[in-house]
Parts: sequence; structure tokens; C-alpha cells
Amino acid sequence: EAGVTQSPTHLIKTRGQQATLRCSPISGHTSVYWYQQALGLGLQFLLWYDEGEERNRGNFPPRFSGRQFPNYSSELNVNALELEDSALYLCASRGTGYREQFFGPGTRLTVL
Amino acid sequence: AQSVTQLDSQVPVFEEAPVELRCNYSSSVSVYLFWYVQYPNQGLQLLLKYLSGSTLVESINGFEAEFNKSQTSFHLRKPSVHISDTAEYFCAVGYNYQLIWGAGTKLIIKP
Repeated sequence: EAGVTQSPTHLIKTRGQQATLRCSPISGHTSVYWYQQALGLGLQFLLWYDEGEERNRGNFPPRFSGRQFPNYSSELNVNALELEDSALYLCASRGTGYREQFFGPGTRLTVL
Repeated sequence: AQSVTQLDSQVPVFEEAPVELRCNYSSSVSVYLFWYVQYPNQGLQLLLKYLSGSTLVESINGFEAEFNKSQTSFHLRKPSVHISDTAEYFCAVGYNYQLIWGAGTKLIIKP
């Protein structure tokens, strides 16, 4: 069974640009979570999607947004990039009725 | 509100020595507890979980954790560490189908 996949692996942008990150969950999983892991700051919860709906978002500005598609894959968009957006962005998926989340390898975003 | 505390940001230990990584949580509802491991430049992997039943849970690579309700703890232990255990370890508590995370503990193995 394939795990959670994320693309691209690395992304380099300049300040003010937009970034789009993609995530495909484990087959059969309907929930997708996005996290930001900046250097020294641990895991910060960004967004939770389930069955195509946004269920919760963390304490991030509105320029962080996303969506979940009918096939349960998800996209994270970051507009007006700032230097401090440089981080590893992790996606995780969860099966219905389960508690544990399974993570992808992450997308390393560098903002210059 | 739920919270998770990992008091040690780093734990250095000699190879083949025992180790304990501490995790305390606060929760007023039923708890679901997890340990995840992150190897350098990788995503997080589920190491072990407590959902119900036996308070002692084990992983396939020799780690174990014990749910202690009275002390609100879920410490991670291994009797003998290997250099390959070098990683960052995150404790998390499940709440409303989300995970509340600790700050992580870096396990540093000294040869």
C-alpha cells in the first residue's frame, strides 16, 4: 500500500511569490492535515480537511489556504511569500474512525 | 485545553545505554497518546500508540511506553539504544481527531 506522497520535494521561491504544495493521502483515507515545521519551532498545525471540507485551521494568516479535491488529495497555497515561510511542510492523512495520522516525506520550501 | 510537554529538548546518551524520553500531557477527556519519530531530513513515522487496553505498549524496534493516568505521563523508554536511533521524537495526544504535539526531543547517541 502506497504511503502519503507529497510534491514537490523542494521548492525555491522569492519573497512575494506564491507557492503550491500537493499531497496525496493513503488510499481510503479521507482526512488530510497540513503542518509547518520551521527550524527550531516544532510542528505547527496549519489546516485540516475532511471529506472536502475545511474542518479546522491553525493560527496562521489567511494567505495560507488550501483545498481538498474529490479524490481526497489536497493542495496548500501560500500567497505573498515571506522569508519566515521557509520551512518543511508536512502532510498527513487519517482513515475514518482512526486516531493516528500518517505522514508524507514533506516539501522543503525555501523563500529567498 | 489539551497540551503536551516534553521537558527535554535534547537527550544525549551513550550507545547501548538505556534511555527515557519524558512526555506529560493535560487532558480532561479520554486520551489517545502517540509517539512519532523523525529521522534527519524525513517525515514523521508512527512509533507507537496507546488507544485503550494495556497501559504498556511496544514498538517493533525495542521502544516501549507506559500510559500512567495518575501522573498524566506517557514516557518512552528503550533498554539499549543504537546509533540508528538518532532522531527527534515527538509525543502527541489525540483530541477531536486532531493531534496536539509536544515540542520534540532530540535523541543524541554518543559512540
